Amino acid sequence: SAVISQKPSRDICQRGTSLTIQCQVDSQVTMMFWYRQQPGQSLTLIATANQGSEATYESGFVIDKFPISRPNLTFSTLTVSNMSPEDSSIYLCSVRGLAGEGTDTQYFGPGTRLTVL
Amino acid sequence: GESVGLHLPTLSVQEGDNSIINCAYSNSASDYFIWYKQESGKGPQFIIDIRSNMDKRQGQRVTVLLNKTVKHLSLQIAATQPGDSAVYFCAEAFRANSKLTFGKGITLSVRP
Repeated sequence: SAVISQKPSRDICQRGTSLTIQCQVDSQVTMMFWYRQQPGQSLTLIATANQGSEATYESGFVIDKFPISRPNLTFSTLTVSNMSPEDSSIYLCSVRGLAGEGTDTQYFGPGTRLTVL
Repeated sequence: GESVGLHLPTLSVQEGDNSIINCAYSNSASDYFIWYKQESGKGPQFIIDIRSNMDKRQGQRVTVLLNKTVKHLSLQIAATQPGDSAVYFCAEAFRANSKLTFGKGITLSVRP
């Protein structure tokens, strides 16, 4: 499996500000994803981070609110822009297609716990 | 052991008993299914997966059963331990490399 790290692990932010979350994987991966998990809820896919091109967003999520970068096969960032209390959630990085593994298993990072005041 | 559907979000079992966690999936065309375990304050951890051409797959202390006729997936945990206490999510996908759709999650609580 992959070792996935996220920074920051948690943050408390003021409304109207923006936060960029980083995801680093210890091996090259084919696909990277960003999920949101609201308190006590299941996981909702925000977008697929595409290397070298614009991310693919799911219904209800837009680039202006959640800009994503993926400059290479091991790193991605998610920015939560112009935050409001409704953005308080856990944001999870996920990867699939580890180099040399040969499976489609999808792994998750530890999450970033965001509270917006 | 006890079994619970998604309409009962918590399952409580005695340490040492077998646990059965059930999941009803929505898409009859789904080909790939996966179970995750999420402990408090952590990200989801892969447990086991199964493709639709199989009915059963076993791992270490866990077994996943797939009933395509009634669109039902279950996770069996043998000899449940306190470390098994967590929220368990099932997920389905049209293909193994397509996006996952997650179920609501079930909390497993192990009584000492």
